[in-house]
Amino acid sequence: KQEVTQIPAALSVPEGENLVLNCSFTDSAIYNLQWFRQDPGKGLTSLLLIQSSQREQTSGRLNASLDKSSGRSTLYIAASQPGDSATYLCAVPYNTDKLIFGTGTRLQVFP
Amino acid sequence: GAVVSQHPSWVICKSGTSVKIECRSLDFQATTMFWYRQFPKQSLMLMATSNEGSKATYEQGVEKDKFLINHASLTLSTLTVTSAHPEDSSFYICSANSGLFNQPQHFGDGTRLSIL
Repeated sequence: KQEVTQIPAALSVPEGENLVLNCSFTDSAIYNLQWFRQDPGKGLTSLLLIQSSQREQTSGRLNASLDKSSGRSTLYIAASQPGDSATYLCAVPYNTDKLIFGTGTRLQVFP
Repeated sequence: GAVVSQHPSWVICKSGTSVKIECRSLDFQATTMFWYRQFPKQSLMLMATSNEGSKATYEQGVEKDKFLINHASLTLSTLTVTSAHPEDSSFYICSANSGLFNQPQHFGDGTRLSIL
């Protein structure tokens, strides 16, 4: 059974720092991995989707990497800003498009 | 980009009431939609897969008669929490994709359900 975990569970940093969020999965037979952002009381916003054939994807200050063989993905946030404060979730699909979500990392960036 | 609309965003009602939540894909057709439940400070747990024109597929442990799902068109799925009780209070989120392989899922803004 696929299990997805994220570390750290919570992170509080000053503005401007570069951050690394980690996601681990137990079954490497995935065809993509998706990173989401969730603001308090809100739904999910898709940030990046990495296909299994890719090693990384970039969008603005965000860079996500994928190492299937080791069951890991990282989300790198450059030059963090207070507006980046949110919960970040990674998710992998199973049985076609069902998603299994990680435990999440709650990020707070203070001015 | 693709947009999924969920309504209502917040519901407060008395125990025993049935509550319907709508999930609409606004600019694409979705043959499949997904319903998730999220408890405070926890991650999302898949409840069921909503299939247009056929019965929903429920995850293990989810009561079919409690959480009724209807997917009558390619742009609308509804989740009805029947005879809701305080333990059903939670954040419910739907998602949909365009059906193309290896494309991101798009999520609604969620519905916070509070049963008194």
